[in-house]
Amino acid sequence: NAGVTQTPKFQVLKTGQSMTLQCAQDMNHNSMYWYRQDPGMGLRLIYYSASEGTTDKGEVPNGYNVSRLNKREFSLRLESAAPSQTSVYFCASSESTGGSPLHFGNGTRLTVT
Amino acid sequence: AQSVAQPEDQVNVAEGNPLTVKCTYSVSGNPYLFWYVQYPNRGLQFLLKYITGDNLVKGSYGFEAEFNKSQTSFHLKKPSALVSDSALYFCAVRDMGTDKLIFGTGTRLQVFP
Repeated sequence: NAGVTQTPKFQVLKTGQSMTLQCAQDMNHNSMYWYRQDPGMGLRLIYYSASEGTTDKGEVPNGYNVSRLNKREFSLRLESAAPSQTSVYFCASSESTGGSPLHFGNGTRLTVT
Repeated sequence: AQSVAQPEDQVNVAEGNPLTVKCTYSVSGNPYLFWYVQYPNRGLQFLLKYITGDNLVKGSYGFEAEFNKSQTSFHLKKPSALVSDSALYFCAVRDMGTDKLIFGTGTRLQVFP
């Protein structure tokens, strides 16, 4: 049982390049999330998908897009990377929003130069 | 606005001693509160949650948390710390308006042998 799997683990981009972070969960969860973690700022929600077919903005959506490809997969795209997007990105899933615990992947460490 | 605060950036404790990691919250209505732990280069792992019921909540790895409504606190505790408990701990509260989790900035726990 893999849980939440994120790829890649590490990535270095130049300013202006694009990339897609992949996330898949095998727990049949309805809700999926993308967070970024920055020192001293905790975790901030970028986008989430409460259920298959829906996506909504979180606290810091600017510069990102998402796709809920199916119930298992939720990808995050950076169309034109900026140094301010240097961060560690975490995907998470839960049975539903609200009181269900989140299950996190191991993160993608992204550096934009 | 809903918020959660972790007033200590770091907590140091000797192995075998009791530990407390502090969390205070501000929400309208009844809070849903959570603790997560993050080990190096890993995603967050769920420890415990309070939604309703007994004010003392027991969780994974021997941790427990005490909900105190009058002090709006949800401190994480363990009677006897282990070196392996050294990690980053996050408190989170459910935002009743958006149904999403709001995370604190994290407290680094260092347990010394």
